[in-house]
Amino acid sequence: KQEVTQIPAALSVPEGENLVLNCSFTDSAIYNLQWFRQDPGKGLTSLLLIQSSQREQTSGRLNASLDKSSGRSTLYIAASQPGDSATYLCAVVDNTDKLIFGTGTRLQVFP
Amino acid sequence: NAGVMQNPRHLVRRRGQEARLRCSPMKGHSHVYWYRQLPEEGLKFMVYLQKENIIDESGMPKERFSAEFPKEGPSILRIQQVVRGDSAAYFCASSPPGLPSGAAFSGNTIYFGEGSWLTVV
Repeated sequence: KQEVTQIPAALSVPEGENLVLNCSFTDSAIYNLQWFRQDPGKGLTSLLLIQSSQREQTSGRLNASLDKSSGRSTLYIAASQPGDSATYLCAVVDNTDKLIFGTGTRLQVFP
Repeated sequence: NAGVMQNPRHLVRRRGQEARLRCSPMKGHSHVYWYRQLPEEGLKFMVYLQKENIIDESGMPKERFSAEFPKEGPSILRIQQVVRGDSAAYFCASSPPGLPSGAAFSGNTIYFGEGSWLTVV
């Protein structure tokens, strides 16, 4: 059974810092991995999607990497801003065609 | 093109009442997924439906919960005789038709609604 773990559970940093959020999954037989952002009381916004054949994806200040064989992904946030404060969720799709989510990392960036 | 629409956004029910949550997928999407997010936990898969068919309900509690996606109208998640432990955010997501198994998410094609927050008092 696929399990997805995210560390740290919470992170509080000053504005301007570069951040790394970690995601690990137990079964490397995945189709893709996605990173989402969730603001309090809101739905999910997809940030980056990495296919199983890819090693990384970039969008603006965000870079996500995937090491499928070791069951790990990282989300790198450059030059963090207060507007980046949110919960970041990692999810994998395996052969059951479902998104399996981690419990998230709650990020707070203070001015 | 409207996104995935969920209503109500917030619902309060007394123990023993019924809760009905509705989800209208994005235009052109015929796959609907329901997820539940309990306080301080991640999103857990509940059910995957296509029009008039339940494809995968492996995440649905065995009792009191049911889901449907009729030919016309929104998908409905129904919770009978609610208990306090049902209090959670329920998210719906949709994706387009015609994708083979294992590739439903091969592109950035899944969209989530804003969620329905159920509080049982």
